[in-house]
Amino acid sequence: NAGVTQTPKFQVLKTGQSMTLQCAQDMNHNSMYWYRQDPGMGLRLIYYSASEGTTDKGEVPNGYNVSRLNKREFSLRLESAAPSQTSVYFCASLNSYEQYFGPGTRLTVT
Amino acid sequence: AQSVTQLGSHVSVSEGALVLLRCNYSSSVPPYLFWYVQYPNQGLQLLLKYTSAATLVKGINGFEAEFKKSETSFHLTKPSAHMSDAAEYFCAVRNVYTQGGKLIFGQGTELSVKP
Repeated sequence: NAGVTQTPKFQVLKTGQSMTLQCAQDMNHNSMYWYRQDPGMGLRLIYYSASEGTTDKGEVPNGYNVSRLNKREFSLRLESAAPSQTSVYFCASLNSYEQYFGPGTRLTVT
Repeated sequence: AQSVTQLGSHVSVSEGALVLLRCNYSSSVPPYLFWYVQYPNQGLQLLLKYTSAATLVKGINGFEAEFKKSETSFHLTKPSAHMSDAAEYFCAVRNVYTQGGKLIFGQGTELSVKP
């Protein structure tokens, strides 16, 4: 099992550009999550999907959209990137109690 | 609303010394509590979890944590630090009734281990 995979690993965008971060899990988990990690702030939930076909806002959803494409895949889209969205983005999926995390995408917006 | 506070953004210990990383939580309903570890440029890995069974929880790599309801704490300890323990540690809380299993994270504690 690959677990949770994320692409790309690194990305540099100019202000106003758009991009989609991809996440996939092969563990047959129902729930999936997108977090951002910023220094001194821990991880903050952007959006989550409790099951296929549903998505809900987390703590910091502004400027982002998500799609739960199927049970395996959960993508995060930045429609018009801003420097404040420079961060490390983690995808995770839930098995009962434990969330399993991907390796992260390091995004820089200039 | 739930919240987590980790006391100390940086903790430094000598190799072989006790590791103590502090976590206090706020929750109006019974919580599930977690400690995650993050090594440089990697994702988060679960160290241990409290899910309302035993209050003393043992995890991987020799770590353990004790759930103290009266103190709303879930401090992480390890009797003897190794150089390989240097990493960032996150405490997290989850409401047992929450749909979707959302976690609330503390701000993290970076552990340094001196030779």
